[in-house]
Amino acid sequence: AQSVTQPDIHITVSEGASLELRCNYSYGATPYLFWYVQSPGQGLQLLLKYFSGDTLVQGIKGFEAEFKRSQSSFNLRKPSVHWSDAAEYFCAVGANQAGTALIFGKGTTLSVSS
Amino acid sequence: GAGVSQSPRYKVAKRGQDVALRCDPISGHVSLFWYQQALGQGPEFLTYFQNEAQLDKSGLPSDRFFAERPEGSVSTLKIQRTQQEDSAVYLCASSLSQASGILDEQYFGPGTRLTVT
Repeated sequence: AQSVTQPDIHITVSEGASLELRCNYSYGATPYLFWYVQSPGQGLQLLLKYFSGDTLVQGIKGFEAEFKRSQSSFNLRKPSVHWSDAAEYFCAVGANQAGTALIFGKGTTLSVSS
Repeated sequence: GAGVSQSPRYKVAKRGQDVALRCDPISGHVSLFWYQQALGQGPEFLTYFQNEAQLDKSGLPSDRFFAERPEGSVSTLKIQRTQQEDSAVYLCASSLSQASGILDEQYFGPGTRLTVT
């Protein structure tokens, strides 16, 4: 079955510290992978996506993610977290086909301490 | 430019009432998706439109849920005889085109928070 697992429900990071959010997927076909961020009362905003090519992808707001096929992982990283990064983060997977619905993980809530 | 908008932002319904949730996608976007996000969960797919055609409704949880997009732009998700388990945030997303045949970015609206009492 197709699924996305985000093992960490809640993470707290000190401002200025590095961040890694984990994502593992199970998908029969070649996956297209996404990370979205959701702030309270806001819609989901795309941080970055991986379709093919270089397995290290850069996104907005200083985020990056690395696709590791052997580990079925697509972890999100940021070298230095800002207080404004506090939000809920969702990993998602989709097929290479227009009209494909995304399959989301349950999300990781990031808190940033000062 | 204008993004995806949804209305109302908040809706409280008594159990058994019918509700209608509206989505205005980005102008010109061909694809439109509805997702349901329960508290503490990720969004889950409900249904998909390509222009006015509803191509996938496999995620609709029951026949009380109905969606339409009659002119290929605005979409309405209707829930009849609401139940408490329908309480969730309903997200709408649109994407530009299926002409290329590949998945492209989905832009999400802010959602409608439905509470059934």
